[in-house]
Amino acid sequence: DTGVSQNPRHKITKRGQNVTFRCDPISEHNRLYWYRQTLGQGPEFLTYFQNEAQLEKSRLLSDRFSAERPKGSFSTLEIQRTEQGDSAMYLCASSPDRANNEQFFGPGTRLTVL
Amino acid sequence: DAKTTQPPSMDCAEGRAANLPCNHSTISGNEYVYWYRQIHSQGPQYIIHGLKNNETNEMASLIITEDRKSSTLILPHATLRDTAVYYCIVRVYGTASKLTFGTGTRLQVTL
Repeated sequence: DTGVSQNPRHKITKRGQNVTFRCDPISEHNRLYWYRQTLGQGPEFLTYFQNEAQLEKSRLLSDRFSAERPKGSFSTLEIQRTEQGDSAMYLCASSPDRANNEQFFGPGTRLTVL
Repeated sequence: DAKTTQPPSMDCAEGRAANLPCNHSTISGNEYVYWYRQIHSQGPQYIIHGLKNNETNEMASLIITEDRKSSTLILPHATLRDTAVYYCIVRVYGTASKLTFGTGTRLQVTL
C-alpha cells in the first residue's frame, strides 16, 4: 500500500502525559498537512509543511503542540501535557507540488485522553 | 475561502442517483469547488473539483450553476459503499492552501 500511513492508529493516554504521532506521506509528495477532527465535525486544519519548512500554523495549534518534518519526508506531531479537550482524530494528508493538488489523507490517529 | 452550506443528512436508495446540493453564494472568481467524502473511520477522500463547467469522472459528476453560487454532486448509481459524509469545499485552485471543511452531508444509502 503506497498511501499515507499514520501510527499509531489509536492512543489512549492520561491527562498530563505527552504523546507523539507519526505520519508517512506518499513518496515524493512534498506537501504535508495535519488536521484535527472531533466527533460530528469536519476536519480542522492545524499546520502545513512544504518539504521540511513549516509554512502555516493554525491558531488551534497551541504552545503544547509541535510538529516537525526534519528531512522533508515523514512528520511527527507532539502534544505535551495532554488535556481531555485534545481527544480527537488527528489526520495527516499529503499532496504533490502541482496545480491540481488534491490532498490524500491517511487513516488518522484517534487520541483519547482520560 | 468562501463559506459553504449543505443539508446535514440525506437518504438514497441503492441503485438510484444521489444528488447532494451545496450553496456557496460568496464564491470568488478564482475559487474552485471541491468535493471530498469520508467513510466511517477513514480519512477524507477526494472526489472531484470544478470551476464553472460541469465535470465528470469515474466516481461522480459535478454540476455548477451558471452564477456559480451553488453546485450539485451526483453519484449516478449509489451503492451501500457510498454511505459517507460528503464535504463541499471552496478553495483557490493551484495553491497549497488548507482545506476548510464544514460539517458536510451525511448520505445514507439503503437497500
